[in-house]
This record gives sequence, C-alpha cells and structure tokens, in this order.
Amino acid sequence: EPEVTQTPSHQVTQMGQEVILRCVPISNHLYFYWYRQILGQKVEFLVSFYNNEISEKSEIFDDQFSVERPDGSNFTLKIRSTKLEDSAMYFCASSESEGLGEETQYFGPGTRLLVL
Amino acid sequence: AQKVTQAQTEISVVEKEDVTLDCVYETRDTTYYLFWYKQPPSGELVFLIRRNSFDEQNEISGRYSWNFQKSTSSFNFTITASQVVDSAVYFCALSEAYQTGANNLFFGTGTRLTVIP
Repeated sequence: EPEVTQTPSHQVTQMGQEVILRCVPISNHLYFYWYRQILGQKVEFLVSFYNNEISEKSEIFDDQFSVERPDGSNFTLKIRSTKLEDSAMYFCASSESEGLGEETQYFGPGTRLLVL
Repeated sequence: AQKVTQAQTEISVVEKEDVTLDCVYETRDTTYYLFWYKQPPSGELVFLIRRNSFDEQNEISGRYSWNFQKSTSSFNFTITASQVVDSAVYFCALSEAYQTGANNLFFGTGTRLTVIP
C-alpha cells in the first residue's frame, strides 16, 4: 500500500541552524501539506502546496519557513534559523483529489525535531 | 471560524469495555468534512474515517462505529469491546470545502485512550 515517507525520523539541531525536513508524498497525489505537533498538544496546520506553489499557510508559517518540491517526488520544509519553540513533531501529508475538502490526507510517520 | 472540541482529555477503560470519544465542531460552511485519526504511541497519524456533511448515516467498521449528528454538531466515535492495542491518542478533525485549493485540517486537542488489560 502506498504511503507517505519522511526523513529523518529524528533531528537534533542547535538554535539558529537551518534544517530541512524531507517528505515523499504518495506518488499520484496532487496536494501536499505540512503540520506540526508540539509535544502533548494538538496537530496544527502549517502550509499546503499545490501545482508548485503555496496554496494556503497558517500564522505559524512565517518567513523562517519555506517549502519546495525540488523534483517530482520530494517535498521539503526548510526552517532557516531554528528557535527553541520550533521543537516539535513535523508531519507531512498528501491527498489525491482537487480540493473541496473531500480528500483524505494521508500522513507520514513524522520527523521529531529537537532544537537545543 | 472553525473549531473542533474534544472535551475528554484522557479516558481509561478496562479491556473489553465499550468507550465513546466525543467530538463537537463549529463551522460556518454548509459543506464540510469530518475525520478521525489515531495516533498510537509510535507517533504516526493513522486515518480512520472521513464523513461529509451531507451524509449523516452512522458507520460501522468492525469494532469501530461513528455517530454523526448535525443537529448537535457532533461526530462521536465508539470502540466496542476495547483492546489494549486501541490505546492511543485519537484526534477529530474538520475540513471545510473551499472552491479551489487545498483544504487544511483543523484538529481537536485529542483524547488519550488507555485500555487496561
């Protein structure tokens, strides 16, 4: 069964460093998403991406964040200068159909980011 | 504005008991979609079910069942004859139907279910 994959599973970084989180969405999916979950809290939407551009982003997704689909399979989230409060689990998700809310988003296993 | 409320922070049941997880939502859209996801201790998010706002039929899948009531804006999830493997955090989520573009999920705060053997 196709699944969303994410690398690395864990990342430890120093405050101020750049990190890139990688995701491989399900191959025939058109929409891609990043969410984050601070330890013990709810899952929060960061950004959605369609047709090589950002479709929607939340207040959390400030100038420190960027997303890219560098090739036909990868979808990346970059945090330019990490802060302590960026420590969280980051989930990538993808969905197949063209919006209208009906699509099911399938999540990857997450990358646990720890900023020291 | 959209909102998903899961008032039960933690629930503990003894194995084989039935348990219902509550979810109440708010939305101004007339077309929307509701989801349940399971997050086991390993941390991944596992899709369980999607319902659209036009379909209030209850759904049963094995030991899982869902009760969608638009009149009370609720989408509750019942596990029958719970098992230890059901121990997880369960999230209810809402997606609103826009005309174009991707539609992000709004998650509740989750309910941690512990099934005691």
